[in-house]
Amino acid sequence: NAGVMQNPRHLVRRRGQEARLRCSPMKGHSHVYWYRQLPEEGLKFMVYLQKENIIDESGMPKERFSAEFPKEGPSILRIQQVVRGDSAAYFCASSSQGGTGAYEQYFGPGTRLTVT
Amino acid sequence: EDKVVQSPLSLVVHEGDTVTLNCSYEVTNFRSLLWYKQEKKAPTFLFMLTSSGIEKKSGRLSSILDKKELSSILNITATQTGDSAIYLCAVNWVRGAQKLVFGQGTRLTINP
Repeated sequence: NAGVMQNPRHLVRRRGQEARLRCSPMKGHSHVYWYRQLPEEGLKFMVYLQKENIIDESGMPKERFSAEFPKEGPSILRIQQVVRGDSAAYFCASSSQGGTGAYEQYFGPGTRLTVT
Repeated sequence: EDKVVQSPLSLVVHEGDTVTLNCSYEVTNFRSLLWYKQEKKAPTFLFMLTSSGIEKKSGRLSSILDKKELSSILNITATQTGDSAIYLCAVNWVRGAQKLVFGQGTRLTINP
């Protein structure tokens, strides 16, 4: 049973370019979460999605960042016009359920974004 | 603001020692606390503790939730060099949907 998959594992972008990060949840999971880990900092929640719905985007920067989880295909985290401060490791996690219960989240290997 | 604090931030011990890592939280309407192990890649899930499951054990690792003290400990007995990693504590609360708030992590180094 494959775990959470993310690609690419490493991504280098010049300032002003766009970055697209992909996440395929574990088989049977329909809830996806994105977290960001800045250098020497802890993991910070960005957004929680279910298929075709954004449930909670309280951790997303107001500009340049967007996320989607279409009916078919992986979840995408999109960063437009990247700046050096966007350099970080971006982790995706998935869970089997959401709502009001307590469910484990399983993490992917992350995408390390470097903005030059 | 909801907060999770881990201590110590860094710990160096010898192989075979027993270690205790701490996590305290300030969260309204607590739902669950999760422990992860992070090496150079993905955080690996270890335990989830809730009101109905305050103690978990797996091999040399065990964890206890103290809801009264708003804290949890992670114990590792007979440590091995492969236990060297950053250990992360994360908390979820009822009104936070499923979002996790993470502590800073404890960097554990096991010397042979």
